[in-house]
Amino acid sequence: NAGVMQNPRHLVRRRGQEARLRCSPMKGHSHVYWYRQLPEEGLKFMVYLQKENIIDESGMPKERFSAEFPKEGPSILRIQQVVRGDSAAYFCASSPLAGDQPQHFGDGTRLSIL
Amino acid sequence: AQSVTQPDIHITVSEGASLELRCNYSYGATPYLFWYVQSPGQGLQLLLKYFSGDTLVQGIKGFEAEFKRSQSSFNLRKPSVHWSDAAEYFCAVGVPNAGKSTFGDGTTLTVKP
Repeated sequence: NAGVMQNPRHLVRRRGQEARLRCSPMKGHSHVYWYRQLPEEGLKFMVYLQKENIIDESGMPKERFSAEFPKEGPSILRIQQVVRGDSAAYFCASSPLAGDQPQHFGDGTRLSIL
Repeated sequence: AQSVTQPDIHITVSEGASLELRCNYSYGATPYLFWYVQSPGQGLQLLLKYFSGDTLVQGIKGFEAEFKRSQSSFNLRKPSVHWSDAAEYFCAVGVPNAGKSTFGDGTTLTVKP
């Protein structure tokens, strides 16, 4: 899964801080998807972005969470004022075409909230 | 909306024994179907996929899966498991051209020596 790069691999934050997770899609891919995996659960879709556009954010919590995929640079998933329940693994996936499947997954960012 | 059920949370098999992991989906038409494997602390690796055509799909690492429309199932099989197959397995369904996938909660496979 080296093609989709996520960093950091592990992130520790205290309650109330901000977490920023980065995802660089595979070369040539302009579609990015973020998923969250809570302990002992499967991946849950959060948001689907194309360059400079949010296509589907039906899985994003209404507050504190935001995502962007600028024209230049990686996609960013931002969590403000983190709480213990935000502790999870966050995975990014990418695809070359709109709606293309399957996506290629990164190795994830493990977020721990103290 | 589509959904995926993996009825078995945890399965233990002996090395060399056969394996079948169950997956049932709910969707109004023929979806895209996938099986992924996840080792601890790692990302997801695609084992195989079904889009259309032959209902028996061959994947990597000796895995195969069979799409059965009448049963809304896409079970994963391997004739002889190896200790290195111990991992978490996820079944996923995708709506054609919609992008996102819906995952089951996974089945943890333990392999006994």
